[in-house]
Amino acid sequence: TQLLEQSPQFLSIQEGENLTVYCNSSSVFSSLQWYRQEPGEGPVLLVTVVTGGEVKKLKRLTFQFGDARKDSSLHITAAQPGDTGLYLCAGLHPGAGSYQLTFGKGTKLSVIP
Amino acid sequence: GAGVSQTPSNKVTEKGKYVELRCDPISGHTALYWYRQSLGQGPEFLIYFQGTGAADDSGLPNDRFFAVRPEGSVSTLKIQRTERGDSAVYLCASRPRTGTYSGANVLTFGAGSRLTVL
Repeated sequence: TQLLEQSPQFLSIQEGENLTVYCNSSSVFSSLQWYRQEPGEGPVLLVTVVTGGEVKKLKRLTFQFGDARKDSSLHITAAQPGDTGLYLCAGLHPGAGSYQLTFGKGTKLSVIP
Repeated sequence: GAGVSQTPSNKVTEKGKYVELRCDPISGHTALYWYRQSLGQGPEFLIYFQGTGAADDSGLPNDRFFAVRPEGSVSTLKIQRTERGDSAVYLCASRPRTGTYSGANVLTFGAGSRLTVL
């Protein structure tokens, strides 16, 4: 089983603070995705990173894929209450024809107004 | 439809009963996935359909679980002789046809069916 470890598991911060969450594995992934999930809803795709060392920005969110394609980070600048949710990373194994994603357990983020 | 629709949204059943969960994917999406999300966990892959056939069912935990997609659109996940450990949110996702075009690898998830086995 190729696991994705996410840290921290829980994070509670004040509005306006910056934060970084991590997604680590001992396995290489052909691509990695980040999702946000709100209570009672399914995960919603935020970004896909494919190339080792790749950095993608989505407004106040910055995503980075590790050079070896085994890890990734998500940095949020000036967090807002609307950023509250469960952040999941999911990796696609090389050669996975079925596009079977392996998900981490997620980081539950609470942004306090 | 505009999104992936799952019914029922909530299902409470007794141990040993049979349960069916339905997924209506986005119109035209050829690939359909079932995932299971237990409390405090990320989604866990169960089965993948490409068209009508189950292309990968390696995630089904045992033979009590079965899924069909007879016409290549709506899918039903069937659980026999339910156990308390089956309690979870069952998520369905769909994806457009395989390809290198933008959006080919984007999974759209439904809101899930929350199953509680008493």
